[in-house]
Amino acid sequence: KAGVTQTPRYLIKTRGQQVTLSCSPISGHRSVSWYQQTPGQGLQFLFEYFSETQRNKGNFPGRFSGRQFSNSRSEMNVSTLELGDSALYLCASSLEPGDVTQYFGPGTRLLVL
Amino acid sequence: AQSVTQLGSHVSVSEGALVLLRCNYSSSVPPYLFWYVQYPNQGLQLLLKYTSAATLVKGINGFEAEFKKSETSFHLTKPSAHMSDAAEYFCAVSRSGGYQKVTFGTGTKLQVIP
Repeated sequence: KAGVTQTPRYLIKTRGQQVTLSCSPISGHRSVSWYQQTPGQGLQFLFEYFSETQRNKGNFPGRFSGRQFSNSRSEMNVSTLELGDSALYLCASSLEPGDVTQYFGPGTRLLVL
Repeated sequence: AQSVTQLGSHVSVSEGALVLLRCNYSSSVPPYLFWYVQYPNQGLQLLLKYTSAATLVKGINGFEAEFKKSETSFHLTKPSAHMSDAAEYFCAVSRSGGYQKVTFGTGTKLQVIP
């Protein structure tokens, strides 16, 4: 079974731009969660999607948004990028929201200049 | 609220020596506990998980962890370190039952000295 895939793997943007990151979960997994990882803040939960609905959201500003498609693939969008948004964005999939075991993708490393 | 505290942001061991990475948790309900490993420029890989079955949990790559409720600990151990174990390790906690949200510790970077 293929693992979680994330595209692109690396991205460079400038302040004020917007960015869209994509995540394809493991086949059969319907829950997708997003995390931001930075050296200063560590791993922080962004949001979780299941059945095309956002189930939970972390403490991030409204510039961070996401969505899930009917095939469980998910995208997250960050608008009006700030320097502090530079981070590794990790996607994790699980069978269902109640499944405590998550499988992580390799991440998208975003650099904002 | 739930949280985990990882003691020591950096740990160095000699190749062949015991690896001990410490994690203490705080949870108002019976927790699920996890250890993940992250190699440079990669995502997180699940090493092992505790979900209220056996208190001694064996994982991949020779790692194991013991759930000690009295000490609220879930320390990760490996009898003999290999160079390939050099990575960052994250302890995480989730509440059992119902909707789960995983809270991660700040990570411990393991250095293995030849």
